[in-house]
Amino acid sequence: AQSVTQPDIHITVSEGASLELRCNYSYGATPYLFWYVQSPGQGLQLLLKYFSGDTLVQGIKGFEAEFKRSQSSFNLRKPSVHWSDAAEYFCAVGARSGGGADGLTFGKGTHLIIQP
Amino acid sequence: NAGVTQTPKFQVLKTGQSMTLQCAQDMNHEYMSWYRQDPGMGLRLIHYSVGAGITDQGEVPNGYNVSRSTTEDFPLRLLSAAPSQTSVYFCASNLRSNSYNEQFFGPGTRLTVL
Repeated sequence: AQSVTQPDIHITVSEGASLELRCNYSYGATPYLFWYVQSPGQGLQLLLKYFSGDTLVQGIKGFEAEFKRSQSSFNLRKPSVHWSDAAEYFCAVGARSGGGADGLTFGKGTHLIIQP
Repeated sequence: NAGVTQTPKFQVLKTGQSMTLQCAQDMNHEYMSWYRQDPGMGLRLIHYSVGAGITDQGEVPNGYNVSRSTTEDFPLRLLSAAPSQTSVYFCASNLRSNSYNEQFFGPGTRLTVL
């Protein structure tokens, strides 16, 4: 079974500074990989996804993520954060073998705090 | 196109009460799932369905029942609520032919069991 680890429970970044959120996964083959964002009291919004091909994927709101097979990682980055980026971020993995039927496995989330 | 809708948004129950959380999608997605979200635990899969009449258990199915009589609806039933079921519940759906397995989430139902 697959698993996802987000090592950082909380991260504090100054507005305008760069951001990197870490995600490591465990899966026997190349998985589907996702980053979702959840603002307080809201549902989950997809930021970006990786399926195959170019290992650097671009998402919405200026986010990008890089898939590194050798490190089993899919870290999320943003060159300059805005106060509106304060939220909970979830990394998730989907098993290709299930054909998309059996849902996603989520990490426990990273809470991003933006300092003025 | 409303996407994935969930009702109610908030609910307070007493221990032992039963209720049904409603979920509907209008995107003609074959797959639907229920997750619960607890602080520090991320989202965990409760049950999922690959189509009308077919359901299966996820990671944390105990205390919950589901059925899928139509493609559009996937209700989650709590037969006898317990305080441990206090959580935020998310319904999601995805298209079978979408090889990305991208899931679309509803806005959630916040449930408190006293």
